[in-house]
Amino acid sequence: QVQLQESGPGLVEPSQTLSLTCTVSGGSISSYNYYWSWIRQHPGKGLEWIAYIYYSGATNYNPSLKSRVAISVDTSKSQFSLKLSSVTAADTAVYYCARLFGDRSCKFDPWGQGTLVTVSS
Amino acid sequence: QSVLTQPPSASGTPGQRVTISCSGSSSNIGSYTVNWYQQLPGTAPKLLIYSNDHRPSGVPDRFSGSQSGTSASLAISGLQSEDEADYYCSAWDDSLDGPVFGGGTKLTVL
Repeated sequence: QVQLQESGPGLVEPSQTLSLTCTVSGGSISSYNYYWSWIRQHPGKGLEWIAYIYYSGATNYNPSLKSRVAISVDTSKSQFSLKLSSVTAADTAVYYCARLFGDRSCKFDPWGQGTLVTVSS
Repeated sequence: QSVLTQPPSASGTPGQRVTISCSGSSSNIGSYTVNWYQQLPGTAPKLLIYSNDHRPSGVPDRFSGSQSGTSASLAISGLQSEDEADYYCSAWDDSLDGPVFGGGTKLTVL
């Protein structure tokens, strides 16, 4: 079964760039109609979709974050990545990667375990 | 302020049936199917219901979903202590051109 695992620094300084990678195992990142997503959850708060990418490189971003976000995919490594620039304390959150079934869908399954990223000097 | 509106909390006693509502608009629930997620304390969300009323393999049939117009509901029957969790609804939104989530409902089993 497909498993996802986030990796990256747990602490990022303000104004710097947050970089996270999600490694996909147990299945192909190039599978038809599966999209690869990033979602975050601020401490004690709800879920916020950030972006998703198809193995071809097609992307979709949350408009509220689009100016600061870049998502990319490396099919040879079965990984996809997130970069969030000019971070502030408001970007402190648990970041999840998840597989999305189909475009214009909200069926995220499975999810990674999540990684807490704290923005602080 | 979430695009989809859920009650912040719900509660019930073991064995009881509880429902959690999710209210949206014509640009999301009114046009697309709804999915529900269960987030147990300290864990990642898990897909609980997809396409309004379908359960993934392994999800007990005590969990059911429905959708009507611009609203959706999650029902849990035969409530158990292990159902204590946060529950989130989600749907595609044409205004955002992306997925949106409800603010979440914290379910307490008394």
